[in-house]
Amino acid sequence: GENVEQHPSTLSVQEGDSAVIKCTYSDSASNYFPWYKQELGKGPQLIIDIRSNVGEKKDQRIAVTLNKTAKHFSLHITETQPEDSAVYFCAARRYGGATNKLIFGTGTLLAVQP
Amino acid sequence: DVKVTQSSRYLVKRTGEKVFLECVQDMDHENMFWYRQDPGLGLRLIYFSYDVKMKEKGDIPEGYSVSREKKERFSLILESASTNQTSMYLCASSLSTATNEKLFFGSGTQLSVL
Repeated sequence: GENVEQHPSTLSVQEGDSAVIKCTYSDSASNYFPWYKQELGKGPQLIIDIRSNVGEKKDQRIAVTLNKTAKHFSLHITETQPEDSAVYFCAARRYGGATNKLIFGTGTLLAVQP
Repeated sequence: DVKVTQSSRYLVKRTGEKVFLECVQDMDHENMFWYRQDPGLGLRLIYFSYDVKMKEKGDIPEGYSVSREKKERFSLILESASTNQTSMYLCASSLSTATNEKLFFGSGTQLSVL
């Protein structure tokens, strides 16, 4: 089955710097890759996603890149702000197979220092 | 906005007790999910349901069961709680697994089994 590895587990950056979180997946048939943000005391929320037919997607200060050959995808946050501090989860999913569900990474705790 | 409501924010139970975790969503979503969140392990799927009275096992169903008698409500049942079931439990819902993959999460129930 699918396995998703996420690094780093913790990341501390200064306000205004960029942050990058990386994930690798094992199932080459996976074709959907979302990122969720979990703020303290709340459930995770979808912030951006990408499908396997594109290599990059941007939404204001956040972007996701996908390298299908290497089976890895990354979240990029530019000009970080204190409100970006949260736990971030990547996930992967394959459609059409017997296991049609999201597999999550282990999470990255991002701390943005003011 | 979609609202997913979990009945309890914190719950303390004794070993061997039968525990019910309740989840209600208000957007007529077909799909509902129960995840468990543990530090260093990310989000792991316990059970999910694509329709009323339908259920499917996720990755870690042992020791759990579920009930979905109404479309808006999905209950997680711990038949005989054990200390290794101490965890954060997250309920989620989505419109459809085929075309709209966005998961909407509740705020979670922190369960402690003593």
